[in-house]
Amino acid sequence: GAGVSQSPSNKVTEKGKDVELRCDPISGHTALYWYRQSLGQGLEFLIYFQGNSAPDKSGLPSDRFSAERTGGSVSTLTIQRTQQEDSAVYLCASSWRPRGEETQYFGPGTRLLVL
Amino acid sequence: KQEVTQIPAALSVPEGENLVLNCSFTDSAIYNLQWFRQDPGKGLTSLLLIQSSQREQTSGRLNASLDKSSGRSTLYIAASQPGDSATYLCAVKWAADSWGKLQFGAGTQVVVTP
Repeated sequence: GAGVSQSPSNKVTEKGKDVELRCDPISGHTALYWYRQSLGQGLEFLIYFQGNSAPDKSGLPSDRFSAERTGGSVSTLTIQRTQQEDSAVYLCASSWRPRGEETQYFGPGTRLLVL
Repeated sequence: KQEVTQIPAALSVPEGENLVLNCSFTDSAIYNLQWFRQDPGKGLTSLLLIQSSQREQTSGRLNASLDKSSGRSTLYIAASQPGDSATYLCAVKWAADSWGKLQFGAGTQVVVTP
């Protein structure tokens, strides 16, 4: 079956603009995660969704960042009023469930550049 | 503060040598530990996952060990090949946080020279 897909693969935007990043998890996976990978910070957790439970937003760096997951499948990460420090690779992952032996499967990422 | 550390940051070996990659973590209360591979410009590929109750996992030329008491995991890659060149990341799921996120080390960039 298909793996985790993300779109767009690359995004260049101007400072102050809003951007939306999309993630399609593996079919049947109930847990979905967003991570950010930047040169200075390594790979850091942003947010995760599990079924209909309230998402864990503890990793979101500011209130400019938000995410939603519709119908327990596709997720969108939105960054409002982008700043240059938001430039990074945004990775999405999914797993069958967050707890247990299941590994997290990662998408190829969206490379965001804020000019 | 819970931390995950990978040393060295970079490693170069000639083809055929065994690779030894280290990962250390500051809290022994982990739920599991995963090793990933990342190729330039690509996402992460899971290599091995070790549950906290396990001491090691093996897949082909890869073997990962886990010693919770000393806060260490080691990834061994036998008879390295140029195709093994990549960045290797370890990630910990803490026991108190087992409902979701992984905490990653900074990675070890490996180059295998022909």
